[in-house]
Amino acid sequence: KNEVEQSPQNLTAQEGEFITINCSYSVGISALHWLQQHPGGGIVSLFMLSSGKKKHGRLIATINIQEKHSSLHITASHPRDSAVYICAVREAQKLVFGQGTRLTINP
Amino acid sequence: NAGVTQTPKFRVLKTGQSMTLLCAQDMNHEYMYWYRQDPGMGLRLIHYSVGEGTTAKGEVPDGYNVSRLKKQNFLLGLESAAPSQTSVYFCASTNRDPPSYEQYFGPGTRLTVT
Repeated sequence: KNEVEQSPQNLTAQEGEFITINCSYSVGISALHWLQQHPGGGIVSLFMLSSGKKKHGRLIATINIQEKHSSLHITASHPRDSAVYICAVREAQKLVFGQGTRLTINP
Repeated sequence: NAGVTQTPKFRVLKTGQSMTLLCAQDMNHEYMYWYRQDPGMGLRLIHYSVGEGTTAKGEVPDGYNVSRLKKQNFLLGLESAAPSQTSVYFCASTNRDPPSYEQYFGPGTRLTVT
């Protein structure tokens, strides 16, 4: 079993829909990261959080330390949000990555 | 700030050839990492460094060597390339102490071994 599990693996939605991507982990962590990777592109850090909730524009990330679970929400989704979203947890000096969720937003 | 840069961006090697990938960061970060990304596998840690002159093995270190002679540079070497090393390689760096754990990634190097 992977230490970091994301769901769903693939998600297709219509423009404007509310999107939720989930991340569950099985190890003790000091922080959790959400990353974004556009097709053929580099990897960008969206959020780093160790408790509670963070918001940046239309993106919201939450974490529940007790349940070892985090969610990434996108409100009013747009085709430019189409990308792979990666959850990663920090264990000491290293990150452990989920497999990623491929999100496609159709106009 | 340039952030994290990688050289080269693309490379094609023949089996058995050697090469070095260079990662440079200008943020004075202590920690640096080399990852490979393969379809369906996610990002996997090859080697990492927690400071100048130190390196450590990650999840998939075989066939690779690294060096961190200067704080700002982290080199990844392939001594004898194999087709299984065809991948996209990402370098990343981060600060040592919270709350500055954010990881900064380079643009990637696409390597093909024929």
